[in-house]
Amino acid sequence: NAGVTQTPKFQVLKTGQSMTLQCAQDMNHEYMSWYRQDPGMGLRLIHYSVGAGITDQGEVPNGYNVSRSTTEDFPLRLLSAAPSQTSVYFCASRLARLGVNTGELFFGEGSRLTVL
Amino acid sequence: SQQGEEDPQALSIQEGENATMNCSYKTSINNLQWYRQNSGRGLVHLILIRSNEREKHSGRLRVTLDTSKKSSSLLITASRAADTASYFCATDATIYGNKLVFGAGTILRVKS
Repeated sequence: NAGVTQTPKFQVLKTGQSMTLQCAQDMNHEYMSWYRQDPGMGLRLIHYSVGAGITDQGEVPNGYNVSRSTTEDFPLRLLSAAPSQTSVYFCASRLARLGVNTGELFFGEGSRLTVL
Repeated sequence: SQQGEEDPQALSIQEGENATMNCSYKTSINNLQWYRQNSGRGLVHLILIRSNEREKHSGRLRVTLDTSKKSSSLLITASRAADTASYFCATDATIYGNKLVFGAGTILRVKS
């Protein structure tokens, strides 16, 4: 049981490049989310999904796209990377019953992105 | 602005001492959760306290919740060097829908 798996762990991009951060979970969780973590600012929610085919914006969605075609996968796309997107990105998932979230979030180990 | 705010921002104690971290929030909540993050790692869930609970224990952890003051505290008793980490509170509130909102965290250093 791997939990939440994120790839890559580290990535360096040049301004304007695009990339996708991958996230997969094997716990059959309906709810999945992406956070970014910056020094002194805690975790800020980028996008989230309550099930396959359903996504919604969080606190800081600009510059990021997501899709949820399966229960297991929730990739985060940066279409045109900017230095302000240098951060550590965390994917997290949890159970949701009838659209209501229950309990704890399970986190991946993070993806450290640097945009030059 | 963030729903949860922890204080202190940083705390340094000796091994064996108790560590107390506080979290204040702004709206009514369904539950409040505490997470730990070791350096360079993902967050790990520690404990969840529901809005109708006042205190909860898990091993050396004790969490209290005061909904009238919109605040919570996390007490780690008999701290160990391995407790060195960042600690975050997160609030689950109906007003925020399906989102769990995190504070900025408290950095705890336990010196051996």
